[in-house]
Amino acid sequence: EDQVTQSPEALRLQEGESSSLNCSYTVSGLRGLFWYRQDPGKGPEFLFTLYSAGEEKEKERLKATLTKKESFLHITAPKPEDSATYLCAVRVRSNDYKLSFGAGTTVTVRA
Amino acid sequence: NAGVTQTPKFRVLKTGQSMTLLCAQDMNHEYMYWYRQDPGMGLRLIHYSVGEGTTAKGEVPDGYNVSRLKKQNFLLGLESAAPSQTSVYFCASSYRVDNSPLHFGNGTRLTVT
Repeated sequence: EDQVTQSPEALRLQEGESSSLNCSYTVSGLRGLFWYRQDPGKGPEFLFTLYSAGEEKEKERLKATLTKKESFLHITAPKPEDSATYLCAVRVRSNDYKLSFGAGTTVTVRA
Repeated sequence: NAGVTQTPKFRVLKTGQSMTLLCAQDMNHEYMYWYRQDPGMGLRLIHYSVGEGTTAKGEVPDGYNVSRLKKQNFLLGLESAAPSQTSVYFCASSYRVDNSPLHFGNGTRLTVT
């Protein structure tokens, strides 16, 4: 069975304190790994898609990387507005419409 | 351009009551999805549709039905609500392109007492 595990469950940071979130997956035939951001009371908002090991994507203070077993979301010099829950999801077969989601990491950045 | 709109935002039902959740998208997406989100668990797919007039079961379809009579709308129905269906429900849509990202609505919080 496809599994997606995110760690830690929660992360509290001081403004400017860089850190990383982990998404490990156990799947057959990864087709894409997705990162989303979710604010309280809102739906998930798409951040990145990664397709193959070694790939990296960046957006402002966020950088996502991918290996054969896991993905990392690095937050560099975070600001309070980076506080959110970050979700990881995988798609495992071509033309398979299902995304399997992890439970998320809730990040709180204090000023 | 509103994206994906869900109604209602909140609803409280008694056990055994029925209701329909509405989802509308204005991005001309072919694919639409219904997910539920529970504390400590990832989003789980209930049903999805790959085009007008089509529907298919996801990983947790029991107790739910769906319809897609128009391309822009996807309805989720609960025929006889149970407390286990207390959750936050999200609708999403995407283009018909491999690995196209999903665009989500802001959810409906449903409580069944």
